[in-house]
Amino acid sequence: EADIYQTPRYLVIGTGKKITLECSQTMGHDKMYWYQQDPGMELHLIHYSYGVNSTEKGDLSSESTVSRIRTEHFPLTLESARPSHTSQYLCASSGKDSNEQFFGPGTRLTVL
Amino acid sequence: KNQVEQSPQSLIILEGKNCTLQCNYTVSPFSNLRWYKQDTGRGPVSLTIMTFSENTKSNGRYTATLDADTKQSSLHITASQLSDSASYICVVSDRGSTLGRLYFGRGTQLTVWP
Repeated sequence: EADIYQTPRYLVIGTGKKITLECSQTMGHDKMYWYQQDPGMELHLIHYSYGVNSTEKGDLSSESTVSRIRTEHFPLTLESARPSHTSQYLCASSGKDSNEQFFGPGTRLTVL
Repeated sequence: KNQVEQSPQSLIILEGKNCTLQCNYTVSPFSNLRWYKQDTGRGPVSLTIMTFSENTKSNGRYTATLDADTKQSSLHITASQLSDSASYICVVSDRGSTLGRLYFGRGTQLTVWP
């Protein structure tokens, strides 16, 4: 079982609110990722990080931002949530010499 | 364009039966191919990984095959159980970047009925 955690698991919030989705891993992995996944669709990479103080945008344009101040922590923030942000957000991590990604359980976000 | 296509989109089988899921990809250069199982409301979990030189690999009741020439893979599930109900995602990695870029299929939604 991969040691990667996401909180909250479910979040229902009103339009315009600021939210932060938490992701932590205890495996000492350098690389971390955020994906967005809609029902029946493939995962889309929205952010990734090679290590501390390194963050890059993924393939899918996203209004969210991320930070990587500590190796184990990779939070995602939405400054002003909108209904179009409703989706499942999955965090993942991988080791230095591997591209196997270990996924967290996900956060199901609903913006009303 | 690097793509991963899976079929069927959804599948319903009776408990105890076998089934085979398909994955075709156009990713190049090729590094490896993984099959992930994603339970509803959970993150994907890796079932198998196959590199260019491997033709078949088993993990319990799951057997994956890879034909690197035709760029096709299959996942065979034997003696299905109710707990096999999930989405099965084919993920292909390219060899071209340090990131180990992953290309995801949309998954096959498998439902096992009692």
